[in-house]
Amino acid sequence: AQSVAQPEDQVNVAEGNPLTVKCTYSVSGNPYLFWYVQYPNRGLQFLLKYITGDNLVKGSYGFEAEFNKSQTSFHLKKPSALVSDSALYFCAVRDNASGTYKYIFGTGTRLKVLA
Amino acid sequence: DTGVSQDPRHKITKRGQNVTFRCDPISEHNRLYWYRQTLGQGPEFLTYFQNEAQLEKSRLLSDRFSAERPKGSFSTLEIQRTEQGDSAMYLCASSPALNTIYFGEGSWLTVV
Repeated sequence: AQSVAQPEDQVNVAEGNPLTVKCTYSVSGNPYLFWYVQYPNRGLQFLLKYITGDNLVKGSYGFEAEFNKSQTSFHLKKPSALVSDSALYFCAVRDNASGTYKYIFGTGTRLKVLA
Repeated sequence: DTGVSQDPRHKITKRGQNVTFRCDPISEHNRLYWYRQTLGQGPEFLTYFQNEAQLEKSRLLSDRFSAERPKGSFSTLEIQRTEQGDSAMYLCASSPALNTIYFGEGSWLTVV
């Protein structure tokens, strides 16, 4: 069965510092991996995805993520955090070999960027 | 591209009443998903449509829940005999043939 883990409930970082939000996954086949961001009382906004190809993927608002197959991880990163990046971040996975269509989401990591 | 539209955005209902939510996906997206999200949790999969066919349902979708997508365009999610545990945000998402799913702003349900 496919699953996603976000080990940190909250990450605090000072504005201007690099940030990392962690995600690990478990699938039986090859993973499709995604990051979404959610602001209060809003839906989820797509940030970036890994399907195949380069392990480092770049997305919206200066975010990037690195796919690491041996560690089954897909950590979200940004070189310089902004206060406006403060939000709830979700990692998601879809297993392209399981015969299921669903995307599984982690429990989310709250990012707080301190001025 | 006007995005995924959900209606109503907020609904307060008394326990035991029925509620219905509507989702209009991004035009030409043939795949449509319903998810449920409670406070402090990630979205939980409820059901998936490809065109008008409902291809997958979660065990979370009890017999009080039903979803339809009659013409392969908009979809409805109905909850019958609501319970307080149904209070959550109901998210709709749509996708073209490949990969990325795009969410609407969600419909908040409060059962009192």
